[in-house]
Amino acid sequence: DIQMTQSPSSLSASVGDRVTITCRASQGIKNWLAWYQQKPKKAPKSLIYAASSLQSGVPSRFSGSASGTDFTLTISSLQPEDFATYYCQQYNSYPLTFGGGTKVEIK
Amino acid sequence: EVQLVESGGGLVQPGGSLRLACAASGFRFSDHYMDWVRQAPGKGLEWVGRIRNKANSYTTEYAASVKGRFTISRDDSKNSLFLQMNSLKTEDTAVYYCVRASYSSSPDFDNWGQGNMVTVSS
Repeated sequence: DIQMTQSPSSLSASVGDRVTITCRASQGIKNWLAWYQQKPKKAPKSLIYAASSLQSGVPSRFSGSASGTDFTLTISSLQPEDFATYYCQQYNSYPLTFGGGTKVEIK
Repeated sequence: EVQLVESGGGLVQPGGSLRLACAASGFRFSDHYMDWVRQAPGKGLEWVGRIRNKANSYTTEYAASVKGRFTISRDDSKNSLFLQMNSLKTEDTAVYYCVRASYSSSPDFDNWGQGNMVTVSS
């Protein structure tokens, strides 16, 4: 199975901050990597697919990048509605696997 | 607008069975692979399994933790997805999400249902 290691597991940031979350795959997944946002008691929402493609309707302050087996989600200027938990997920091979999540909290 | 509405959750004893359903609307259901993803209380997301579309013979994939106990099926005529859960264990307690896979050669999860709670307890 492909392990997805997300870091950090949590972070505190202020509105307007630039935030970066990293996800490392235990083996090559090409660019078959997605990012999801989940707010408390809500279903996850898709943000990014294929490592760097923005889902329709997602604000442009969100971006994704890839370098080998390392993937990054960046929020360029954190907004109040961005405080949530973020998950990466590989869909290169079965079983499909998620990272452990990164909780973004208000500083 | 894509809508995925799960039903059928509840409390069941260990060893029991439960069948979840997902009613889909707002898109051409028959074209898409469909998945189930679960989330235990206070924990992260875990993929449960997938069913492909008719063009791919409705074949299925499962996580090792549920293989042989859970079965995914679909009824394209009713735009419905199902998850039959047998031999339930306490560790199956979770919110179960019905998820649409994108229409792509390598599909990600582009739409999620609101989730349905399943509690396995005596």
